Amino acid sequence: GAVVSQHPSWVICKSGTSVKIECRSLDFQATTMFWYRQFPKQSLMLMATSNEGSKATYEQGVEKDKFLINHASLTLSTLTVTSAHPEDSSFYICSARDMVSGNSPLHFGNGTRLTVT
Amino acid sequence: AQRVTQPEKLLSVFKGAPVELKCNYSYSGSPELFWYVQYSRQRLQLLLRHISRESIKGFTADLNKGETSFHLKKPFAQEEDSAMYYCALRGQAGTALIFGKGTTLSVSS
Repeated sequence: GAVVSQHPSWVICKSGTSVKIECRSLDFQATTMFWYRQFPKQSLMLMATSNEGSKATYEQGVEKDKFLINHASLTLSTLTVTSAHPEDSSFYICSARDMVSGNSPLHFGNGTRLTVT
Repeated sequence: AQRVTQPEKLLSVFKGAPVELKCNYSYSGSPELFWYVQYSRQRLQLLLRHISRESIKGFTADLNKGETSFHLKKPFAQEEDSAMYYCALRGQAGTALIFGKGTTLSVSS
């Protein structure tokens, strides 16, 4: 079945540094990937829609200069948390849809636990 | 506005008991509804979607447009069903999923 790989699984960084999270579709191509954020015991909140070859679309309230998204190929999207602060600590999850399969469901990565100290 | 409501944070049942996880949605058009499951320390997995009308692991869900509901049901719960269950909605094809807050199902013997 379709697999989405997310790396790293967890990362600890110091306040003020930047962290890059990768999301790869391993056996399918995805023109669109989605980035979600999940706080403890809460639901997944959509952050942005990553479009291959074009700018990402950010949800209201999400700072595009803070959460940089690059979707350089049909199998890779990256989320960079710039100048991270402790309040950015969260669980970040990416998802992707097989572009060939029409209206297929989303497949999710394993998530990245970011802790900013 | 699109919204998915899962009123129960936690549902505890005994093994063999029937289970119903509630989900209500708000959407002006004809959405597509999904149930995703997340077992401990694992990624979100698709459990079922309303357009498939299939039963997975004994779970079924029927879309009720009149009540704007998509409740998840299983007649006899198993301990391995213990997990976090998310109801999700997709408005237009190709767009992101909107998730409910999730319900933790705990099945004990």
